[in-house]
Amino acid sequence: NAGVTQTPKFRVLKTGQSMTLLCAQDMNHEYMYWYRQDPGMGLRLIHYSVGEGTTAKGEVPDGYNVSRLKKQNFLLGLESAAPSQTSVYFCASSQRQDTQYFGPGTRLTVL
Amino acid sequence: AQSVAQPEDQVNVAEGNPLTVKCTYSVSGNPYLFWYVQYPNRGLQFLLKYITGDNLVKGSYGFEAEFNKSQTSFHLKKPSALVSDSALYFCAVRGDNDMRFGAGTRLTVKP
Repeated sequence: NAGVTQTPKFRVLKTGQSMTLLCAQDMNHEYMYWYRQDPGMGLRLIHYSVGEGTTAKGEVPDGYNVSRLKKQNFLLGLESAAPSQTSVYFCASSQRQDTQYFGPGTRLTVL
Repeated sequence: AQSVAQPEDQVNVAEGNPLTVKCTYSVSGNPYLFWYVQYPNRGLQFLLKYITGDNLVKGSYGFEAEFNKSQTSFHLKKPSALVSDSALYFCAVRGDNDMRFGAGTRLTVKP
């Protein structure tokens, strides 16, 4: 039982490049989330999903897109990376609105 | 909208002394409150939660939290701090479909 896994763990992009972050969970959770963590700002919700095939915007959705084609996977895409998107990204999952379980994070640097 | 505030960026305590990490909340309706801990270069780990019932909630690693409705607070406590408790602590409140996190409090326990 791996819980929540994220790939990649680290990535460096140039401004304007695109990439996709993959989150996978093996707990059969309905809800999945993408957060970004910046110093002094806690975690801010980017997008979330309450079930397969559904997505919704969170607090800071601009510049990101997501897809939930399979219940166990939640993808976060950056179409044209900007330096302001340099951050640590965390994925989480939960059974409905109960306790969230987090992945180990992806550290992204945009030059 | 649901929100939490952590008034202290940093808390320093000596090993063996009691520790308190403060959190206040603002909600409409009944609050569902959580505490998470983050160790360096790791994802967040669930410590404890308050849904309803006893105002003193016990969690992992000897931590507990006291829910106080009149003061709208949910402070995290431990009777005797360990050096290994040094980490970043987040208070959170459940929203409609998401979780709102505080900015975090860095706890340092000195030998």
